[in-house]
Amino acid sequence: GDSVTQMEGPVTLSEEAFLTINCTYTATGYPSLFWYVQYPGEGLQLLLKATKADDKGSNKGFEATYRKETTSFHLEKGSVQVSDSAVYFCALKTNFGNEKLTFGTGTRLTIIP
Amino acid sequence: DTEVTQTPKHLVMGMTNKKSLKCEQHMGHRAMYWYKQKAKKPPELMFVYSYEKLSINESVPSRFSPECPNSSLLNLHLHALQPEDSALYLCASSQDRRGAYNEQFFGPGTRLTVL
Repeated sequence: GDSVTQMEGPVTLSEEAFLTINCTYTATGYPSLFWYVQYPGEGLQLLLKATKADDKGSNKGFEATYRKETTSFHLEKGSVQVSDSAVYFCALKTNFGNEKLTFGTGTRLTIIP
Repeated sequence: DTEVTQTPKHLVMGMTNKKSLKCEQHMGHRAMYWYKQKAKKPPELMFVYSYEKLSINESVPSRFSPECPNSSLLNLHLHALQPEDSALYLCASSQDRRGAYNEQFFGPGTRLTVL
């Protein structure tokens, strides 16, 4: 079945550091890939998405590129801020099977000033 | 309007109470979802409504009863819950249930505590 694997957290970085959160997937067909962010005490917000191979999603300085050859969708940001502290979920959705949104386990990110 | 709203924000209930969670969206979306999220875990799908009809029930206990009165509203009726049902309940909506590109928009959630 479909699955998403995210790097284990928690991740702690200093402000202005470079961020990478790894995400790899297994899916039938051609999934769309998503990054959601959950700030403390809140619901999930869609951060960015990509719907086909080599697409790059970007938003608020975050980027992720859909790599079909490595089945990856790693999240990157060049310079993180304290306000980026949150839990980040990688997710996929396919056109086949149960058509559900499949989430990774989430990565908790803490940025220290 | 591009948001999903949920009420109440917090709810504390006893095991014999009956309560309801409400969700509303005005984006014209035809699919609506209920998720349950425990601490430090990803959301788990509970129910999916598509065009106001229940299309997916993830073997959720009958003490949770969903209802979709119209295309903008989604309710979750709660009765005889257990303490292990305490969690964050998230509502989401999408343009359509089908299609890999249809992203889901989430509400802020209701934090439920069962005593």
